Amino acid sequence: DVKVTQSSRYLVKRTGEKVFLECVQDMDHENMFWYRQDPGLGLRLIYFSYDVKMKEKGDIPEGYSVSREKKERFSLILESASTNQTSMYLCASSPSKGGISYNEQFFGPGTRLTVL
Amino acid sequence: GNSVTQMEGPVTLSEEAFLTINCTYTATGYPSLFWYVQYPGEGLQLLLKATKADDKGSNKGFEATYRKETTSFHLEKGSVQVSDSAVYFCALTNTGNQFYFGTGTSLTVIP
Repeated sequence: DVKVTQSSRYLVKRTGEKVFLECVQDMDHENMFWYRQDPGLGLRLIYFSYDVKMKEKGDIPEGYSVSREKKERFSLILESASTNQTSMYLCASSPSKGGISYNEQFFGPGTRLTVL
Repeated sequence: GNSVTQMEGPVTLSEEAFLTINCTYTATGYPSLFWYVQYPGEGLQLLLKATKADDKGSNKGFEATYRKETTSFHLEKGSVQVSDSAVYFCALTNTGNQFYFGTGTSLTVIP
């Protein structure tokens, strides 16, 4: 089974702190994603990566950065946390596009971040 | 562009009732369509998928048919159980790289 793990289930930080959220997948997937989930807004894509050291901005990249130094690990960084970044953060991975059958994403359990 | 619209919740049903959650999409080309489920305190899990027009995805008693003519992928289940209480997300991808999710529909099934 594909396993996507996230470093913390719950995290509490203070405004202005630098925050690291880590995600690791064990299925050698090329693609990795970071989303935030907020009530009434569903999932919004922050960043994704389709290869090591490659990254693409999603719909809401402001205030975030990412790092992918190894294929299995994708980190989300909040350079200076703010209260409006309080949210559930979900990491996902998927294998690369193949043929005409596009592949599903596999999700981690999520990290609920509270910024005070 | 690409987008997914699904019915607003929350939806509350009695056990053994029939469930429909509507999902319509806008996309270029020929997207793949998915339904994901999120149980309380967990991440999303794939429930079912369909990759081309007229395909029917099914799993755990849930079904959805890819209707290109109406750009829809409605989720149905004939008899819901308390254990089906969760949030359901409709999603699409055109490239396999970027996915587009609906806002989610919360379902509560009462005994």
